[in-house]
Amino acid sequence: DAGVIQSPRHEVTEMGQEVTLRCKPISGHDYLFWYRQTMMRGLELLIYFNNNVPIDDSGMPEDRFSAKMPNASFSTLKIQPSEPRDSAVYFCASSLTASGGEQYFGPGTRLTVT
Amino acid sequence: DAKTTQPTSMDCAEGRAANLPCNHSTISGNEYVYWYRQIHSQGPQYIIHGLKNNETNEMASLIITEDRKSSTLILPHATLRDTAVYYCIVSSGGTSYGKLTFGQGTILTVHP
Repeated sequence: DAGVIQSPRHEVTEMGQEVTLRCKPISGHDYLFWYRQTMMRGLELLIYFNNNVPIDDSGMPEDRFSAKMPNASFSTLKIQPSEPRDSAVYFCASSLTASGGEQYFGPGTRLTVT
Repeated sequence: DAKTTQPTSMDCAEGRAANLPCNHSTISGNEYVYWYRQIHSQGPQYIIHGLKNNETNEMASLIITEDRKSSTLILPHATLRDTAVYYCIVSSGGTSYGKLTFGQGTILTVHP
């Protein structure tokens, strides 16, 4: 398996623009997680899905952030409008119910908002 | 979920065992101990997890004390590629199934 795939790997955008990050989980995994990592706040869980249904979005910073999972093989994290403080590395991870906290992370998307 | 305490940084000589401690004194009976690591510029990587018994896999061993208030991750023969940030995480199932809270971790530097 190719592992968790994220795109783009790098994104540079101007403040106010819409940003869409994409994730393809490992085939067969029924949990999908979105994390954000910054120097100041470390690695934070934003939202996670089970069987394409959002379970906990308490980590989503504000209404500018939204996440969807239209099917088992694709998820998006959207920021609209983007702000400089959104600059971070965004990771997607997936896991199997049976494996509990054993999550497999993608390579991340480095977002820079100028 | 219980909070964990780890040393900020540790050093280890290549080829020697790296022993990374973690305190989780408030752990409850249904909480597992997970270890992840993050090599620079990469996504975190799962290493091992356990409930109360010691565990071993191809990457590492996990030793959990009998009272479960602390644990040690052991890399038996550290290599330069093991230089990374190591995270000890305590998490339960139920409503927080799979939900991991990453702290600051331990920066392990393996030197020649």
